Amino acid sequence: GEDVEQSLFLSVREGDSSVINCTYTDSSSTYLYWYKQEPGAGLQLLTYIFSNMDMKQDQRLTVLLNKKDKHLSLRIADTQTGDSAIYFCAERPGSDAGNMLTFGGGTRLMVKP
Amino acid sequence: SQTIHQWPATLVQPVGSPLSLECTVEGTSNPNLYWYRQAAGRGLQLLFYSVGIGQISSEVPQNLSASRPQDRQFILSSKKLLLSDSGFYLCAWSRDMNTEAFFGQGTRLTVV
Repeated sequence: GEDVEQSLFLSVREGDSSVINCTYTDSSSTYLYWYKQEPGAGLQLLTYIFSNMDMKQDQRLTVLLNKKDKHLSLRIADTQTGDSAIYFCAERPGSDAGNMLTFGGGTRLMVKP
Repeated sequence: SQTIHQWPATLVQPVGSPLSLECTVEGTSNPNLYWYRQAAGRGLQLLFYSVGIGQISSEVPQNLSASRPQDRQFILSSKKLLLSDSGFYLCAWSRDMNTEAFFGQGTRLTVV
């Protein structure tokens, strides 16, 4: 089955850039997503990228996709304390499995003032 | 605009008691609906999904069941809760098979 892996923790200083990495195994993935979960809250969709794109930029967020290596990253420029949260990578398979997302375990981003 | 409501936000239930978590979506019709569970310190696991009224697919065998009595209502249930049912339950919806999912605020269930 599909597998999505993320590192557990990332700590950065306020104002620095954060890079959260994700690897996946399903070569037929169509869309890849980044969600943000703040403490005790649901998941908020941050951004997504279609599998035929290499990069997508949205304000402070940059998503890079290396389809050959099945590697996805989320870069947050000028990281703020409000960016502290758990970030989940998710992929949608290209099979007939339907619209089910496979999530990584989440990366906890801690921003130090 | 579309919104998704999930309640209650927190719930503490004794082992062996029943469970009913409700999720409703507003502002759209015939959405795909999902129940995910997030166990402590772990990622999200898809439990159930539904593409229409009365249509439920289960992803993992478990003590829980789901129902979709109305187009925009999705209910997660259990007849007898187990300690291992504790976790953070998230409802989500999407327009169709090729769009992103939007999540509710979640229900933190603690079985004691």
